[in-house]
Amino acid sequence: DIVMTQSPDSLAVSLGERATINCKSSQSVLYSSNNKNYLAWYQQKPGQPPKLLIYWASTRESGVPDRFSGSGSGTDFTLTISSLQAEDVAVYYCQQYYSTPCFGQGTRLEIK
Amino acid sequence: EVQLVESGGGLVKPGGSLRLSCAASGFTFSSYSMNWVRQAPGKGLEWVSSISSSSSYIYYADSVKGRFTISRDNAKNSLYLQMNSLRAEDTAVYYCARQSLIHYGMDVWGQGTTVTVSS
Repeated sequence: DIVMTQSPDSLAVSLGERATINCKSSQSVLYSSNNKNYLAWYQQKPGQPPKLLIYWASTRESGVPDRFSGSGSGTDFTLTISSLQAEDVAVYYCQQYYSTPCFGQGTRLEIK
Repeated sequence: EVQLVESGGGLVKPGGSLRLSCAASGFTFSSYSMNWVRQAPGKGLEWVSSISSSSSYIYYADSVKGRFTISRDNAKNSLYLQMNSLRAEDTAVYYCARQSLIHYGMDVWGQGTTVTVSS
């Protein structure tokens, strides 16, 4: 099974500053036949279900603000929020769909 | 509007059973693979089970294999999770989630139903 590990577990960033969350998979999630990374990012606010932000590691879901971006390939991935807004306070999860789904443990993002 | 609505959660004793349902609307349910994902109190997301559009392919997390059964009724636009031999560690909010046709991530989620296993 592919294990997903996020870092840090929690993060405090000032409003308007950049937030960076890392995700590492125990094996590559890059599918060679289509050169796509089978990785998604989700945002979960308190009391709400998760919301899909990013798929294929770097493609924003429709309606997601462009301050959210995803990068990386193979086993190492990053979610970046370029200018933190108050409404971005949430827990963020990466998930691989290369094999049976697996989520990272989550990263709690707060305002400093 | 695309929507998933879970039901069937509740309080059950250890060793008991419960059947969760997820009603889909606003999209062609029979075209999509579906998932159950759970979240224990204060914890992260844990994938539980997946079922393909025609029920040909079914997968389970090791933690529930042999105890939980996923199924669907495309005529009723419904997804189910039969949970047997429940344990305290099965206590969680259970979400149903649609698998995207484009990228295999989970693009639509329900609000969840709470299962509490306690004596």
